[in-house]
Amino acid sequence: DAGVTQTPRHEVAEKGQTIILKCEPVSGHNDLFWYRQTKIQGLELLSYFRSKSLMEDGGAFKDRFKAEMLNSSFSTLKIQPTEPKDSAVYLCASSFWGVSPSQNTLYFGAGTRLSVL
Amino acid sequence: GEQVEQLPSILRVQEGSSASINCTYENSASNYFPWYKQEPGENPKLIIDIRSNMERKQTQGLIVLLDKKAKRFSLHITDTQPGDSAMYFCAASNTGGADRLTFGKGTQLIIQP
Repeated sequence: DAGVTQTPRHEVAEKGQTIILKCEPVSGHNDLFWYRQTKIQGLELLSYFRSKSLMEDGGAFKDRFKAEMLNSSFSTLKIQPTEPKDSAVYLCASSFWGVSPSQNTLYFGAGTRLSVL
Repeated sequence: GEQVEQLPSILRVQEGSSASINCTYENSASNYFPWYKQEPGENPKLIIDIRSNMERKQTQGLIVLLDKKAKRFSLHITDTQPGDSAMYFCAASNTGGADRLTFGKGTQLIIQP
């Protein structure tokens, strides 16, 4: 089974550009998360979807960050316009939420390392 | 919301000795506590988790302890090996699953020969 797939692995952007990161969750998973990882803040939740519906839209990130889930097997995170402080690793993760929470394990993708100049 | 504090941020131990990482949480309703290991350039991977109906769980050289009264949980790695060098994250949620996880800021574990 394929895990969570993220593309691209690396992205370099100029300040003010628009970038789009992509994520394919594990097949059959109905929860999808976008996290930002930095050394100082650790893992911060950006967005969370359940069955394609937006459940949580990280407050501090609302103005320039927009995540979408166009279908159950594909999600994008758009950052517009980019700023140097957006330089970080962006991780997508998915899990299956069902009757038994004990099955609800989070699987992460390899991440996209974004550098904004 | 939940806040999770993780200490230490960096931990150096001699190969073969034990390593311990501690996390505290604020929400007494939290009931699921996973631990993730992230090797350089890799994605975080679940290594062990514990739910609030347990106080101790052990698997393959890893021990997790949960003290609900103190709102504290910890990861203990016994007989550390070079392959244990990595970043470790603790997390907590109050849903019994991974949908409302709050993460600690991570511990960089360095195993010294």
